[in-house]
Amino acid sequence: GQQVMQIPQYQHVQEGEDFTTYCNSSTTLSNIQWYKQRPGGHPVFLIQLVKSGEVKKQKRLTFQFGEAKKNSSLHITATQTTDVGTYFCAGPGAGGTSYGKLTFGQGTILTVHP
Amino acid sequence: AAGVIQSPRHLIKEKRETATLKCYPIPRHDTVYWYQQGPGQDPQFLISFYEKMQSDKGSIPDRFSAQQFSDYHSELNMSSLELGDSALYFCASSLRAIAYEQYFGPGTRLTVT
Repeated sequence: GQQVMQIPQYQHVQEGEDFTTYCNSSTTLSNIQWYKQRPGGHPVFLIQLVKSGEVKKQKRLTFQFGEAKKNSSLHITATQTTDVGTYFCAGPGAGGTSYGKLTFGQGTILTVHP
Repeated sequence: AAGVIQSPRHLIKEKRETATLKCYPIPRHDTVYWYQQGPGQDPQFLISFYEKMQSDKGSIPDRFSAQQFSDYHSELNMSSLELGDSALYFCASSLRAIAYEQYFGPGTRLTVT
């Protein structure tokens, strides 16, 4: 079945350093979404990428969708303690409708040391 | 803005008991999803409903069933509970005609003892 692989599993940074997490799919994705889950919280939608080679920015966060629509990345510039949490990428689940199930990557747990 | 509401927030059950989790989607959202998240794991899709009809099914055990009602709220019924069912259960909702993004509720933490 479709898998979405995400690396690294953990990332520890000093406040002010940059952070990047990568997502790779075994199949072409119609879209990819990114979610953030704070410790003890629920996943919160960050962004959706649809077009090949798409790049979107949200303040210090930059999201990219690969040309082949099989990989994606999230880059945070100058991390802050408020960035702490688990970042998940998610693609449409195999066999599902475009509006259906999401297949999540394993997530990258980001810790930021002040 | 209104968010997804889930109840109860915490639930403790014994093995072989039943549990019912409730989800109230964001008003006017027409699609509801259920996910299960074990400790340190990513959310796993269970089932979804669009306009009160089941639209997708994932790795949901036969012991579980779900439905969406006329007021769009959804319930996840879990029977013959096992220790391995202990997890966070999230409900999410979306508006199919607008976008793909899903809005998650705060979750129900189920503990089976």
